[in-house]
Amino acid sequence: YLQESGPGLVEPSETLSLTCTVSGYSINLGYYWGWIRQPPGKGLEWIGSMFHSGAAYYNPSLRSRVTISLDTSKNQFSLKMTSVTAADTAVYYCATEDTFRGLMTTSFDYWGQGTLVTVSS
Amino acid sequence: QSVLTQPPSASGAPGQRVTISCSGSSSNIGSKYVYWYQQLPGTAPKLLISRNDQRPSGVPDRFSGSKSGTSASLAISGLRSEDEADYYCAAWDDSVFAVFGGGTKLTVL
Repeated sequence: YLQESGPGLVEPSETLSLTCTVSGYSINLGYYWGWIRQPPGKGLEWIGSMFHSGAAYYNPSLRSRVTISLDTSKNQFSLKMTSVTAADTAVYYCATEDTFRGLMTTSFDYWGQGTLVTVSS
Repeated sequence: QSVLTQPPSASGAPGQRVTISCSGSSSNIGSKYVYWYQQLPGTAPKLLISRNDQRPSGVPDRFSGSKSGTSASLAISGLRSEDEADYYCAAWDDSVFAVFGGGTKLTVL
């Protein structure tokens, strides 16, 4: 079970911060832990994902503004996105991202319910 | 503009079979597994097809996936009203990592 939390409103140029709390599974185990977003009325965009070892992949178009981190003591992982604009307004989902035979995949097996973040002053 | 190309819409009558295509390139679909997601209105996406043609537990066998070269397809047979949803393909890409198609809105007539 995954549950996103964080502010629903962020001002332009500020930093968006979200947390995903994981229950029923340790984030120290076999998944990558990722973030995906969906602007209102539009499609899905992968933001990035991180393994408990610290290995991480990020969407190249967002890489300069995004950081994903894991807090194993709280079984949570977080997303920080800097210098946000109205274009970052979206529903943000946290999800598990699986690998297969050691290779990255786009197998997002489990999803949070999503949280709407609006960027506006 | 998505790296993976899907038709924006598809439709079919109840009981019919519909297919949704997903076109990519050698750096994604041509060399990686394809995954399909179903997103019902107001809900999070759900994994529908794994590794090109595998159905996760609980997914009806009315749903099937296939891949050929740099394209993939999702087929839904015996169409039902509850299948009305948005469908997304996804694949790993050598350059830009995880990518989704633009999504296809399926209407059950």
